[in-house]
Amino acid sequence: QKEVEQDPGPLSVPEGAIVSLNCTYSNSAFQYFMWYRQYSRKGPELLMYTYSSGNKEDGRFTAQVDKSSKYISLFIRDSQPSDSATYLCAKKNTGNQFYFGTGTSLTVIP
Amino acid sequence: GAVVSQHPSWVICKSGTSVKIECRSLDFQATTMFWYRQFPKQSLMLMATSNEGSKATYEQGVEKDKFLINHASLTLSTLTVTSAHPEDSSFYICSATRGQTNEKLFFGSGTQLSVL
Repeated sequence: QKEVEQDPGPLSVPEGAIVSLNCTYSNSAFQYFMWYRQYSRKGPELLMYTYSSGNKEDGRFTAQVDKSSKYISLFIRDSQPSDSATYLCAKKNTGNQFYFGTGTSLTVIP
Repeated sequence: GAVVSQHPSWVICKSGTSVKIECRSLDFQATTMFWYRQFPKQSLMLMATSNEGSKATYEQGVEKDKFLINHASLTLSTLTVTSAHPEDSSFYICSATRGQTNEKLFFGSGTQLSVL
């Protein structure tokens, strides 16, 4: 079983919609959770970072962690065409190991 | 946020030649850097972990003699693809950790390598 599982999509939404991106993880060891945004042929950009259960907001983005169900989510409010990208969830366990989901391709249609 | 600089962004080379890719942490010291490879529409594949002043740790299946990694300083790691062949054509991305427990991972902009 992979450390992090992510639905690859693709996901297509109209401009202004709320986007929900989801991942599950398998190892309950102490960890940090991250969401990255990657545009085509660019390196991933760190969007959100959290280590606790609950919600963390940053502008139009909300990262949610549910440790009881091992579920992490990223919500994008008022989605824009510029949000069109691939979104990667990631997890860091103790030690220096990072685990990435396969990425969800998002297209926001004007 | 932290900045990781990677260059070149694009490189085209002939088969059999070697290519060096540089990765620099611009505003912090990075004791650990990671090198990833990414194929189109696929996720990141970790190639090796680079620790300053010591030998890199390679993932299973990655040829250490083909992908030479040097991390001679706290701000610079290099990946050299030796005797490149067309099958080495790919998108290579470096990253560096930062934070009290190295919990944040920042990426370079990536290098697209095309071997003719």
